[in-house]
Amino acid sequence: EADIYQTPRYLVIGTGKKITLECSQTMGHDKMYWYQQDPGMELHLIHYSYGVNSTEKGDLSSESTVSRIRTEHFPLTLESARPSHTSQYLCASSEFRGGFNEKLFFGSGTQLSVL
Amino acid sequence: DAKTTQPNSMESNEEEPVHLPCNHSTISGTDYIHWYRQLPSQGPEYVIHGLTSNVNNRMASLAIAEDRKSSTLILHRATLRDAAVYYCILRDLNNAGNMLTFGGGTRLMVKP
Repeated sequence: EADIYQTPRYLVIGTGKKITLECSQTMGHDKMYWYQQDPGMELHLIHYSYGVNSTEKGDLSSESTVSRIRTEHFPLTLESARPSHTSQYLCASSEFRGGFNEKLFFGSGTQLSVL
Repeated sequence: DAKTTQPNSMESNEEEPVHLPCNHSTISGTDYIHWYRQLPSQGPEYVIHGLTSNVNNRMASLAIAEDRKSSTLILHRATLRDAAVYYCILRDLNNAGNMLTFGGGTRLMVKP
């Protein structure tokens, strides 16, 4: 049912590298989100977007940045990765219909390891 | 924002019903109760949601207390594939950001 894709699925990189995590959805959803989750821990919202050219910071402070140039695409960028950025990053989207039937659709996540 | 309280973990036997509780004593009149679950190595997936009345769908049933201070997610026959972390979440239509806040959830273990 979910048509939201994240790449790569796993990424291992060295400290100081610039990385971009990709997230795309084919459902035409306006709202998109990035959550961060450590193993066995809660999901924390780090970025969200209401639509094209809209980006907002979430509850958890993050050194990452996001952009929303196209409706279907919501990439997350780390300019200089550090070991503290090691985590799972989950992208989600939703079609806001007055809040009653809104559902979040999640991608499978990107597991990032920074050495 | 209203908060939810769930047990950290629960166990169930395969083929038996499972009742997952959630307390939300500070719930407001406009808060919808949503349930998501997260299978191992996956992103969360929507299960069910409701406001005041009990709800049923193909995945589960949601029983909401009359005072709305608690709710219970019911899996009628647990299977091994139902082993996951289940999140009870409140949505607030008065919150302009309208964001979902995931707590710790309940880790459900299903024994064969």
